[in-house]
Amino acid sequence: AQRVTQPEKLLSVFKGAPVELKCNYSYSGSPELFWYVQYSRQRLQLLLRHISRESIKGFTADLNKGETSFHLKKPFAQEEDSAMYYCALLSSDTDKLIFGTGTRLQVFP
Amino acid sequence: NAGVMQNPRHLVRRRGQEARLRCSPMKGHSHVYWYRQLPEEGLKFMVYLQKENIIDESGMPKERFSAEFPKEGPSILRIQQVVRGDSAAYFCASSPRTGGAQTQYFGPGTRLLVL
Repeated sequence: AQRVTQPEKLLSVFKGAPVELKCNYSYSGSPELFWYVQYSRQRLQLLLRHISRESIKGFTADLNKGETSFHLKKPFAQEEDSAMYYCALLSSDTDKLIFGTGTRLQVFP
Repeated sequence: NAGVMQNPRHLVRRRGQEARLRCSPMKGHSHVYWYRQLPEEGLKFMVYLQKENIIDESGMPKERFSAEFPKEGPSILRIQQVVRGDSAAYFCASSPRTGGAQTQYFGPGTRLLVL
């Protein structure tokens, strides 16, 4: 079965602290994974995707096939990072995205 | 490029009424996806359409729900005889084509409330 798990509903940190939002997946084959972010009152936006191996707004995510994980990391959290973060897997069937339940990141000053 | 547009942004219906949700994809995009987000849950895939074709409707409830993407005009998600359990946020996404990790761009969503 194709599934994405985000075990934390809420993650609270202070400004300047490191952040790691966990994402685990279940998939047979080579997965294509994404992180989407939704700031308050805004639409879902693509943050990064694993094939790009890029860093956006200081966030990075590395695909670990051995652990079937795609955790999102940032070394120093900022208040403006407070948002809902969704990990998503592109299904091999018909390009639909399979989302995790999301993690709310709260960064306190 | 105005991005993916959805209207209305908020929709209130009484039980038994019909709800029509519209989605205009980004310019140049011919692939549309509908997702539903129930309270406290993640987004769940409903249906994937190309112009005049339903490609995958495996996430659509078997009854009362239908979707179309006509040659001209927006994609429509129609819910007939709404019930309270249909209250959710409905998101539309579009992409230029399939194959590979095509980015799906999301609209702002329509929040449906069934009284």
